[in-house]
Amino acid sequence: AQKVTQAQTEISVVEKEDVTLDCVYETRDTTYYLFWYKQPPSGELVFLIRRNSFDEQNEISGRYSWNFQKSTSSFNFTITASQVVDSAVYFCALSEASSNYQLIWGAGTKLIIKP
Amino acid sequence: EPEVTQTPSHQVTQMGQEVILRCVPISNHLYFYWYRQILGQKVEFLVSFYNNEISEKSEIFDDQFSVERPDGSNFTLKIRSTKLEDSAMYFCASRSFGGPNYGYTFGSGTRLTVV
Repeated sequence: AQKVTQAQTEISVVEKEDVTLDCVYETRDTTYYLFWYKQPPSGELVFLIRRNSFDEQNEISGRYSWNFQKSTSSFNFTITASQVVDSAVYFCALSEASSNYQLIWGAGTKLIIKP
Repeated sequence: EPEVTQTPSHQVTQMGQEVILRCVPISNHLYFYWYRQILGQKVEFLVSFYNNEISEKSEIFDDQFSVERPDGSNFTLKIRSTKLEDSAMYFCASRSFGGPNYGYTFGSGTRLTVV
């Protein structure tokens, strides 16, 4: 069974549109962390956010915002007023205390922002 | 800001050859990880390492793979006899004691091409 599900394989929007990337996770741990990473074509993993299971506060960082809901086991990522530079693959990942905090990754969502 | 350094950034090797991928984790980190990403696919956990021994490993991490921390600063991944399917991006990561809130950092990866 998938522990991290990113159901959207690819999303394409026009610049300046808002876009939400979905992430659903599954865990029995009470202590866990959720991550979002951006992977541009150059291949490196760019850290965006980390959220622990005891902190359900939503977060906003510029045009980026994250909605963490334990009730639905979701940690969704919204980009407001998208820009061409946002084009990349975005990965959601889960890290559980019971497995030494290794990261379990979703399949990724390829985001294409058209000018 | 402290970085995890991986060398080389790109390595091409012939099938059947041994290859060693090198990583220099952040100096005060205690937990070390290797992940693999086959082109176009998700990132997969390979192995975690703590206190000079493997703490967890995935099914991918078979007898062809080994890790060591030979000198207290480097953390290496060795593939004994490379196969075509070992072609991938390999990421090293390190984290400090106490969980990801205290730091969990990825290197920029080594792209391994087996020909």
